[in-house]
Amino acid sequence: AQSVTQLGSHVSVSEGALVLLRCNYSSSVPPYLFWYVQYPNQGLQLLLKYTTGATLVKGINGFEAEFKKSETSFHLTKPSAHMSDAAEYFCAVNGGSQGNLIFGKGTKLSVKP
Amino acid sequence: KAGVTQTPRYLIKTRGQQVTLSCSPISGHRSVSWYQQTPGQGLQFLFEYFSETQRNKGNFPGRFSGRQFSNSRSEMNVSTLELGDSALYLCASSLDGTIDGYTFGSGTRLTVV
Repeated sequence: AQSVTQLGSHVSVSEGALVLLRCNYSSSVPPYLFWYVQYPNQGLQLLLKYTTGATLVKGINGFEAEFKKSETSFHLTKPSAHMSDAAEYFCAVNGGSQGNLIFGKGTKLSVKP
Repeated sequence: KAGVTQTPRYLIKTRGQQVTLSCSPISGHRSVSWYQQTPGQGLQFLFEYFSETQRNKGNFPGRFSGRQFSNSRSEMNVSTLELGDSALYLCASSLDGTIDGYTFGSGTRLTVV
């Protein structure tokens, strides 16, 4: 069965510092992996995705993630945090035969001035 | 182009009542999926409709149902509301039902009192 674990329900960084949000997955099928961002009272916006091909994926707003099969990880990074990055971030994996997404519990990112 | 539109944005209902939520997908998209988001359980898949047929279903009781119309608009219905049904309900549309093509709406916030 597919599952996603996000380490750290809350991460706090200073503006300009590195952002690192951790995601580990378990999948019995070749994984499709996603990072979504959610601002308060909003839906989910796709940041980036890995389906096949290059394991380093670049997304919107300066975010990137690297698919590491040996570590079953898909961590999200951004070199320099901005105040506008404060939001909740969700990692997700394809749900196999159900054709849906399995989400992690989310990581709330705070950015201190 | 217009995004995914969910109505209403906010809803307050009383225990035991029923509720209907609406989702209008992006023009040309034939698949609509529904997710429930709660603080305790996170994001969970409800069901997916494709060309008016329910194609996949999550692990929710029969009180949760849905349908899709010929114009791809979808509704979900929850009967005999319980306090635990309070949640943000998100729908996502995609052109052909593939999860890597999801676009989410802003959600309907349902509060059951």
